[in-house]
Amino acid sequence: EPEVTQTPSHQVTQMGQEVILRCVPISNHLYFYWYRQILGQKVEFLVSFYNNEISEKSEIFDDQFSVERPDGSNFTLKIRSTKLEDSAMYFCASSLLAGPYNEQFFGPGTRLTVL
Amino acid sequence: LAKTTQPISMDSYEGQEVNITCSHNNIATNDYITWYQQFPSQGPRFIIQGYKTKVTNEVASLFIPADRKSSTLSLPRVSLSDTAVYYCLVGDSGGGATNKLIFGTGTLLAVQP
Repeated sequence: EPEVTQTPSHQVTQMGQEVILRCVPISNHLYFYWYRQILGQKVEFLVSFYNNEISEKSEIFDDQFSVERPDGSNFTLKIRSTKLEDSAMYFCASSLLAGPYNEQFFGPGTRLTVL
Repeated sequence: LAKTTQPISMDSYEGQEVNITCSHNNIATNDYITWYQQFPSQGPRFIIQGYKTKVTNEVASLFIPADRKSSTLSLPRVSLSDTAVYYCLVGDSGGGATNKLIFGTGTLLAVQP
């Protein structure tokens, strides 16, 4: 069964450093997403991406965040200057079709720890 | 987006049927009801989706009354591995609608031996 993969599984960084989280969505999917979940809290939407551009973003997704699909398979989330409060589990997801009623497939997540 | 309300937690024993009810009083005509499951330290996983009446798949059943103001996820004969957080989501649809999923706090189901 096709699955979304994410690397690394755990990333530890110092405050102020840049991090890049990587995802490989399911190959025939067209819509890509990043969500995050701070420990013990809700899963929060960050950004959706389609046709090589951001289609929607949340208030969390400020200028410190960027996304990119550098090639035909990878989808990345970059945080330019990490803050302590960026510590969270980051989930990548993909879907074949648009709309929240279309199943989104989530990856296993990257646990980001900012020290 | 319709707000959802579901119990914070539920306990069950192996082999029992579990029903988790979600209230969504402000559901709109075009909204679908979707349930996701999340195991600890994993990403959410789609379980089932419906619009009205009853939907069944190999994992669960979803019961939606005629007024659609609530829905019930039914898990038959749960096992220990069904211990997880279950999220009820109500999303709008139609051209130009958002793609994002809005997760609430979910229901933590704890299955005991």
